[in-house]
Amino acid sequence: NAGVTQTPKFRILKIGQSMTLQCTQDMNHNYMYWYRQDPGMGLKLIYYSVGAGITDKGEVPNGYNVSRSTTEDFPLRLELAAPSQTSVYFCASSYDSLGEKLFFGSGTQLSVL
Amino acid sequence: KNQVEQSPQSLIILEGKNCTLQCNYTVSPFSNLRWYKQDTGRGPVSLTIMTFSENTKSNGRYTATLDADTKQSSLHITASQLSDSASYICVVRLNNDMRFGAGTRLTVKP
Repeated sequence: NAGVTQTPKFRILKIGQSMTLQCTQDMNHNYMYWYRQDPGMGLKLIYYSVGAGITDKGEVPNGYNVSRSTTEDFPLRLELAAPSQTSVYFCASSYDSLGEKLFFGSGTQLSVL
Repeated sequence: KNQVEQSPQSLIILEGKNCTLQCNYTVSPFSNLRWYKQDTGRGPVSLTIMTFSENTKSNGRYTATLDADTKQSSLHITASQLSDSASYICVVRLNNDMRFGAGTRLTVKP
């Protein structure tokens, strides 16, 4: 079972560049999330989606955008990369409501130099 | 100040030994608390969930406890194995939100 798949695993960006982090899940989960994980900090919610066509901001949305055109896919877009966006990004999904058991992807390690 | 505090930040133990990880939270209203295990380079995986009415729950060598009055939870690992080396993250669910602890980094040495 694939579960939640994230690509790429690693990426180095220059300041001002743009990129999209891909996330897809094959569990037919309604809820999908994007988190960032910084050293010594708890996971911070960037954006989440409760279903196709519906997205909402999390705790740290500035500098990011998302879309949810299908149940399976939830890409995260960085438009103008900044050093503060250097982090490990995790996509996750859950079947029903917020706070249910999360299924995480393997993460994307992003460095902005 | 993080609303979910975990201690210790890191811990090194010898294979076969037991250990206990702590999670204290200040957030409310409490819905449930999960412990996740995160192997290096991987996403977190759920180990166990504790609801308000549960005091203790075991999952193999992992035993979680919850004291909702004092807002404390612990994760006890018995007879540790090398594969237990990971970060352990405590996540508290509120009514419509979640709060993550920073995790405890456990290293089990042979």
